[in-house]
Amino acid sequence: TAGITQAPTSQILAAGRSMTLRCTQDMRHNAMYWYRQDLGLGLRLIHYSNTAGTTGKGEVPDGYSVSRANTDDFPLTLASAVPSQTSVYFCASSDGYQQIYSTGELFFGEGSRLTVL
Amino acid sequence: AQSVTQLGSHVSVSEGALVLLRCNYSSSVPPYLFWYVQYPNQGLQLLLKYTTGATLVKGINGFEAEFKKSETSFHLTKPSAHMSDAAEYFCAVMRRGGSNYKLTFGKGTLLTVNP
Repeated sequence: TAGITQAPTSQILAAGRSMTLRCTQDMRHNAMYWYRQDLGLGLRLIHYSNTAGTTGKGEVPDGYSVSRANTDDFPLTLASAVPSQTSVYFCASSDGYQQIYSTGELFFGEGSRLTVL
Repeated sequence: AQSVTQLGSHVSVSEGALVLLRCNYSSSVPPYLFWYVQYPNQGLQLLLKYTTGATLVKGINGFEAEFKKSETSFHLTKPSAHMSDAAEYFCAVMRRGGSNYKLTFGKGTLLTVNP
């Protein structure tokens, strides 16, 4: 089973350019998330979506935007990339947003490594 | 607000030795608690979690963790380390009773296993 698919796996981007990281899940999970992972800082939440049609800001949302047009896809867009956005980006999903119905577990993709020069 | 502190960014053990990775949390109410593992160039996968019930939780690959409310801790242990346990480990908390599933992660502990 595919689970969470992220693309591209890695990308080098010139500062000022725009970029969309793609994320698709085949588990019909309601909730989806974007995290960035930086050495010594762990994972920090960028944006999340509890269900299709809704999104919310996480801990470090500036410079990023997301959309959730349907259940399966949750793209992350950098409108004008800066070097500080060099990071590994992880998309994740979970099986519900009402805790009473959920295991609480997040399922992660394998990451997209982005370098902004 | 909730937070997670993992003591030690790098832990090194010998093969066969006890593994102990420390996690303390700060939360206004006892949260849901998780340990995730990340192998090189991969995403995170769940090792174990505590939501309710028995405070000693067993996970995959022989790992276990004990929720201690009085110490606000959720340390991860394994009696005997294997070379294959070398990875980065993340402790995470989720607010109990919240309306969404935002996990707050610790900064991670890199486990090295020496032959």
